[in-house]
Parts: sequence; structure tokens; C-alpha cells
Amino acid sequence: DAGVIQSPRHEVTEMGQEVTLRCKPISGHDYLFWYRQTMMRGLELLIYFNNNVPIDDSGMPEDRFSAKMPNASFSTLKIQPSEPRDSAVYFCASTVLRHSGANVLTFGAGSRLTVL
Amino acid sequence: EDQVTQSPEALRLQEGESSSLNCSYTVSGLRGLFWYRQDPGKGPEFLFTLYSAGEEKEKERLKATLTKKESFLHITAPKPEDSATYLCAVQGAAGNKLTFGGGTRVLVKP
Repeated sequence: DAGVIQSPRHEVTEMGQEVTLRCKPISGHDYLFWYRQTMMRGLELLIYFNNNVPIDDSGMPEDRFSAKMPNASFSTLKIQPSEPRDSAVYFCASTVLRHSGANVLTFGAGSRLTVL
Repeated sequence: EDQVTQSPEALRLQEGESSSLNCSYTVSGLRGLFWYRQDPGKGPEFLFTLYSAGEEKEKERLKATLTKKESFLHITAPKPEDSATYLCAVQGAAGNKLTFGGGTRVLVKP
């Protein structure tokens, strides 16, 4: 299994530009999570999906952020327009619900975003 | 709201010098407490899940323990390859999301 695949690995853009981050979860996993990691705030949950349906988007900072999951093998996180404070590493993670109810997340390698 | 606090923020150890990392948490109905390891430039990698107070799990030089308010990650006789950031997370009964602590950066010097 190739694991959770994220692209791009690095993105440098200018303020005001649109940014799209992509994620391919592990086949068979029915939960997908988007997290953001910064030195100041650590790992923060932005949104998560179950069976392609958004369940909790309370962590999405503002309307500039949007996430979609058009099918079980693909998700996008879009920032439009981007701002310097959006600079962070964005992680995608996936899991399948276990009998215990505890979710062991498998993370991708992350997308490092720098907004100038 | 679930909360996780990890201490210390950073730890410098000599090779072979055992130590413990702390994870204090508040959660409404613990479904699981998780430890992850994160290397620079990589995503977090799963280590352990603990489900109830009194539970312990081991993997090589790492041992995780759990009480009703905190968890410890003990590193016994660490080696330089144990250098990483260790993250603690909790999942409450209310949903399926994990709340992470700020992590402990561990540096083991030869």
C-alpha cells in the first residue's frame, strides 16, 4: 500500500493567489481528515469526512478555506485568496473505524505551504 | 472541549539516559489516547493506542502508560535514532476526531 498521498509537497505562492492541496487516502478507508500544523498552534483539525460527506468543519478558519471529497479516493483543500498567515504544513490523514471505536490515523507526508 | 497538554516542550538526553514524557488530558468519555512519533519533514507515525486507565503498551525502548488524567511515554536507554517529536492525542466519546497536544521534541546525543 502506498499510504496516504499528498500533493504538492511544497508550494510557494503570493498573497491573494488560489492554492489547491490534494490528497489520496488509503484504499478502503472511510474517514479522511485535514489537519494544519504550525509551530505556534501545533496540529489543528480543519475538517473531516466520512464516506465522502463532511462531518465536522468547525476548524476551518474562515470562508477562504473550502474542502471537497468528490469520491472515496480523492480530496482537495482550497484556499482562496491565500494570506501569509496561512503558511503552514497541511496534513491529510485517513482511517477506517475499528471495533473499539478508536481511530488510528495514517498521515500523509504533508504539503508545506508558504504564502509570501 | 477536549484538551491535551504535553511536557516538557523539549528534552535533551544522552544516549542511554532514560526519561519520561508527560501528556495531561481532559476529555468527555475517553475512546482512545494515542502516541505518535514525528520526524522532521514527515507526517506523524502511529505508535500506541491506550483505551483505559492502568493499561500499558511497549515497543522496543518505548513504554506508554495511562491514568485517568495523564499518560506517560517512557524512553528506556534511548539511542540517537529515538530523536523525534512525540505527539499525544485523545479521542472523546462525542466524535471521531483526534485532538493533539503540542508535542515534545526529544534529542538524544551519542
